[in-house]
Amino acid sequence: AQSVTQLDSQVPVFEEAPVELRCNYSSSVSVYLFWYVQYPNQGLQLLLKYLSGSTLVKGINGFEAEFNKSQTSFHLRKPSVHISDTAEYFCAVSTGGGNKLTFGTGTQLKVEL
Amino acid sequence: DAGVIQSPRHEVTEMGQEVTLRCKPISGHNSLFWYRQTMMRGLELLIYFNNNVPIDDSGMPEDRFSAKMPNASFSTLKIQPSEPRDSAVYFCASTREGPYNEQFFGPGTRLTVL
Repeated sequence: AQSVTQLDSQVPVFEEAPVELRCNYSSSVSVYLFWYVQYPNQGLQLLLKYLSGSTLVKGINGFEAEFNKSQTSFHLRKPSVHISDTAEYFCAVSTGGGNKLTFGTGTQLKVEL
Repeated sequence: DAGVIQSPRHEVTEMGQEVTLRCKPISGHNSLFWYRQTMMRGLELLIYFNNNVPIDDSGMPEDRFSAKMPNASFSTLKIQPSEPRDSAVYFCASTREGPYNEQFFGPGTRLTVL
Protein backbone atom coordinates (compact mmCIF):
# COMPACT_ATOMS: atom_id res chain seq x y z
CA ALA A 1 0.00 0.00 0.00
CA GLN A 2 1.12 3.53 -0.69
CA SER A 3 1.24 6.42 1.76
CA VAL A 4 2.14 10.08 1.78
CA THR A 5 3.78 12.14 4.53
CA GLN A 6 3.65 15.89 4.67
CA LEU A 7 6.04 16.81 7.41
CA ASP A 8 4.91 20.37 7.97
CA SER A 9 1.37 21.07 9.09
CA GLN A 10 1.86 24.84 8.85
CA VAL A 11 4.35 27.00 6.96
CA PRO A 12 4.37 30.75 7.56
CA VAL A 13 6.23 32.86 5.02
CA PHE A 14 6.48 36.51 4.09
CA GLU A 15 5.20 37.75 0.76
CA GLU A 16 7.73 37.57 -2.08
CA ALA A 17 9.85 35.04 -0.19
CA PRO A 18 10.48 31.56 -1.60
CA VAL A 19 8.71 28.55 -0.14
CA GLU A 20 9.10 24.79 -0.17
CA LEU A 21 6.40 22.39 1.01
CA ARG A 22 7.69 18.92 1.69
CA CYS A 23 6.14 15.64 0.63
CA ASN A 24 7.52 12.13 1.01
CA TYR A 25 5.86 8.98 -0.21
CA SER A 26 6.22 5.28 0.27
CA SER A 27 5.28 2.65 -2.25
CA SER A 28 6.62 -0.65 -3.44
CA VAL A 29 5.65 0.06 -7.05
CA SER A 30 5.87 2.94 -9.48
CA VAL A 31 3.96 5.97 -8.33
CA TYR A 32 2.22 8.94 -9.81
CA LEU A 33 2.28 12.10 -7.73
CA PHE A 34 0.03 15.11 -7.45
CA TRP A 35 -0.22 18.41 -5.61
CA TYR A 36 -3.64 19.92 -4.95
CA VAL A 37 -4.52 23.28 -3.41
CA GLN A 38 -7.56 24.05 -1.29
CA TYR A 39 -8.59 27.67 -0.78
CA PRO A 40 -10.84 28.45 2.20
CA ASN A 41 -14.32 26.99 1.90
CA GLN A 42 -13.60 25.46 -1.49
CA GLY A 43 -12.86 22.06 -2.94
CA LEU A 44 -9.43 20.93 -4.04
CA GLN A 45 -7.86 22.03 -7.34
CA LEU A 46 -4.99 20.36 -9.15
CA LEU A 47 -1.71 22.33 -9.09
CA LEU A 48 0.49 19.85 -10.93
CA LYS A 49 1.16 16.17 -11.44
CA TYR A 50 4.07 13.86 -12.18
CA LEU A 51 3.36 10.80 -14.28
CA SER A 52 6.68 10.15 -16.04
CA GLY A 53 9.45 11.90 -17.96
CA SER A 54 11.14 15.03 -16.68
CA THR A 55 11.43 15.02 -12.92
CA LEU A 56 10.79 18.77 -12.72
CA VAL A 57 7.12 19.51 -13.15
CA LYS A 58 5.67 22.96 -13.61
CA GLY A 59 2.14 23.76 -12.55
CA ILE A 60 -0.26 26.63 -12.30
CA ASN A 61 0.31 29.87 -10.37
CA GLY A 62 4.11 29.63 -10.66
CA PHE A 63 4.45 26.44 -8.61
CA GLU A 64 6.79 23.61 -9.51
CA ALA A 65 7.75 20.29 -7.97
CA GLU A 66 10.62 17.89 -8.35
CA PHE A 67 10.28 14.13 -8.27
CA ASN A 68 13.21 12.50 -6.51
CA LYS A 69 13.00 8.73 -6.65
CA SER A 70 16.05 8.05 -4.50
CA GLN A 71 14.71 10.23 -1.71
CA THR A 72 11.08 9.28 -2.36
CA SER A 73 10.15 12.94 -2.31
CA PHE A 74 8.00 15.30 -4.33
CA HIS A 75 8.54 18.73 -2.78
CA LEU A 76 6.56 21.73 -3.98
CA ARG A 77 8.31 25.06 -4.52
CA LYS A 78 7.58 28.61 -5.51
CA PRO A 79 10.32 31.24 -5.84
CA SER A 80 8.17 34.16 -4.72
CA VAL A 81 4.84 33.78 -2.96
CA HIS A 82 1.89 36.11 -2.96
CA ILE A 83 -0.81 36.74 -0.38
CA SER A 84 -3.24 34.92 -2.64
CA ASP A 85 -1.21 31.71 -2.25
CA THR A 86 -2.49 31.38 1.32
CA ALA A 87 -4.24 28.02 1.27
CA GLU A 88 -3.87 24.38 2.24
CA TYR A 89 -1.75 22.20 0.00
CA PHE A 90 -2.15 18.46 -0.33
CA CYS A 91 0.27 15.96 -1.78
CA ALA A 92 -1.28 12.77 -3.19
CA VAL A 93 -0.05 9.51 -4.66
CA SER A 94 -1.56 6.97 -6.99
CA THR A 95 -0.22 3.64 -8.12
CA GLY A 96 -2.76 3.47 -10.90
CA GLY A 97 -5.89 1.43 -11.07
CA GLY A 98 -8.92 3.59 -11.30
CA ASN A 99 -7.45 6.98 -10.51
CA LYS A 100 -7.66 6.32 -6.78
CA LEU A 101 -5.57 8.80 -4.80
CA THR A 102 -4.08 8.67 -1.30
CA PHE A 103 -3.73 12.14 0.19
CA GLY A 104 -1.32 13.50 2.76
CA THR A 105 -2.55 15.38 5.80
CA GLY A 106 -2.00 18.76 4.18
CA THR A 107 0.22 21.78 4.78
CA GLN A 108 -1.31 25.13 5.60
CA LEU A 109 0.65 27.87 3.83
CA LYS A 110 0.15 31.29 5.38
CA VAL A 111 1.63 34.22 3.48
CA GLU A 112 2.10 37.38 5.52
CA LEU A 113 2.89 40.94 4.55
CA ASP B 1 -19.18 23.66 -17.60
CA ALA B 2 -20.69 24.03 -14.13
CA GLY B 3 -18.20 21.75 -12.46
CA VAL B 4 -19.09 19.20 -9.82
CA ILE B 5 -22.25 20.23 -8.00
CA GLN B 6 -22.96 19.26 -4.42
CA SER B 7 -26.02 19.89 -2.31
CA PRO B 8 -26.70 21.01 0.26
CA ARG B 9 -23.68 23.19 0.98
CA HIS B 10 -24.43 23.16 4.68
CA GLU B 11 -26.45 20.71 6.74
CA VAL B 12 -27.18 20.86 10.44
CA THR B 13 -29.06 17.95 11.93
CA GLU B 14 -29.62 16.20 15.21
CA MET B 15 -28.13 12.92 16.25
CA GLY B 16 -30.18 10.00 15.02
CA GLN B 17 -31.55 11.73 11.95
CA GLU B 18 -31.00 10.54 8.41
CA VAL B 19 -28.77 12.69 6.23
CA THR B 20 -28.51 12.54 2.44
CA LEU B 21 -25.79 14.31 0.53
CA ARG B 22 -26.05 14.73 -3.22
CA CYS B 23 -23.56 15.05 -6.04
CA LYS B 24 -23.77 15.75 -9.75
CA PRO B 25 -20.47 14.97 -11.52
CA ILE B 26 -19.15 16.76 -14.55
CA SER B 27 -20.85 15.59 -17.72
CA GLY B 28 -18.76 12.94 -19.48
CA HIS B 29 -16.88 11.89 -16.36
CA ASN B 30 -17.34 8.26 -15.48
CA SER B 31 -15.51 7.96 -12.17
CA LEU B 32 -16.93 9.47 -8.99
CA PHE B 33 -15.36 9.69 -5.53
CA TRP B 34 -16.73 10.56 -2.09
CA TYR B 35 -14.28 11.97 0.47
CA ARG B 36 -14.60 13.10 4.07
CA GLN B 37 -12.39 15.83 5.54
CA THR B 38 -11.88 16.42 9.26
CA MET B 39 -9.19 18.12 11.30
CA MET B 40 -8.33 14.90 13.06
CA ARG B 41 -8.21 12.50 10.11
CA GLY B 42 -7.56 14.77 7.14
CA LEU B 43 -8.98 13.82 3.74
CA GLU B 44 -10.27 10.26 3.57
CA LEU B 45 -11.61 8.42 0.54
CA LEU B 46 -14.92 6.80 1.48
CA ILE B 47 -15.98 5.13 -1.77
CA TYR B 48 -15.55 5.42 -5.49
CA PHE B 49 -17.58 4.42 -8.50
CA ASN B 50 -16.57 3.62 -12.05
CA ASN B 51 -19.34 3.63 -14.67
CA ASN B 52 -21.90 3.81 -11.84
CA VAL B 53 -20.56 0.65 -10.17
CA PRO B 54 -18.99 0.82 -6.70
CA ILE B 55 -15.37 -0.28 -7.06
CA ASP B 56 -13.89 0.29 -3.61
CA ASP B 57 -15.93 1.02 -0.49
CA SER B 58 -13.24 0.06 1.99
CA GLY B 59 -13.19 3.59 3.35
CA MET B 60 -16.83 3.63 4.37
CA PRO B 61 -16.61 3.85 8.14
CA GLU B 62 -19.52 1.60 9.07
CA ASP B 63 -22.90 0.30 8.06
CA ARG B 64 -24.55 3.60 8.85
CA PHE B 65 -22.99 4.95 5.66
CA SER B 66 -24.25 4.01 2.22
CA ALA B 67 -23.68 5.41 -1.27
CA LYS B 68 -25.49 4.96 -4.54
CA MET B 69 -25.02 6.04 -8.11
CA PRO B 70 -28.23 5.27 -10.00
CA ASN B 71 -27.00 6.94 -13.18
CA ALA B 72 -24.03 8.75 -14.65
CA SER B 73 -25.19 12.17 -13.50
CA PHE B 74 -26.17 11.62 -9.88
CA SER B 75 -24.85 10.09 -6.69
CA THR B 76 -25.93 10.13 -3.05
CA LEU B 77 -24.18 9.50 0.24
CA LYS B 78 -26.53 8.62 3.07
CA ILE B 79 -25.86 8.45 6.79
CA GLN B 80 -28.49 6.74 8.89
CA PRO B 81 -28.59 7.28 11.80
CA SER B 82 -26.21 10.21 12.04
CA GLU B 83 -23.89 10.74 15.00
CA PRO B 84 -21.90 13.80 16.19
CA ARG B 85 -18.64 12.15 15.08
CA ASP B 86 -19.92 12.25 11.50
CA SER B 87 -19.54 16.03 11.52
CA ALA B 88 -17.14 16.87 8.68
CA VAL B 89 -16.92 18.33 5.21
CA TYR B 90 -17.89 15.80 2.57
CA PHE B 91 -16.49 16.22 -0.92
CA CYS B 92 -17.49 14.64 -4.17
CA ALA B 93 -15.02 14.47 -7.07
CA SER B 94 -15.23 13.17 -10.61
CA THR B 95 -12.83 12.31 -13.40
CA ARG B 96 -12.77 10.94 -16.94
CA GLU B 97 -11.85 7.40 -17.76
CA GLY B 98 -8.16 6.89 -18.29
CA PRO B 99 -5.14 6.64 -16.07
CA TYR B 100 -4.15 9.46 -13.79
CA ASN B 101 -6.59 12.01 -14.98
CA GLU B 102 -7.25 14.99 -12.75
CA GLN B 103 -9.99 14.65 -10.17
CA PHE B 104 -12.31 17.65 -10.13
CA PHE B 105 -13.72 18.41 -6.71
CA GLY B 106 -17.05 19.91 -5.76
CA PRO B 107 -17.31 22.69 -3.16
CA GLY B 108 -18.22 20.25 -0.40
CA THR B 109 -21.06 19.82 2.07
CA ARG B 110 -20.36 20.89 5.62
CA LEU B 111 -22.27 18.54 7.91
CA THR B 112 -22.85 19.29 11.57
CA VAL B 113 -24.54 16.67 13.71
CA LEU B 114 -25.66 17.99 17.07
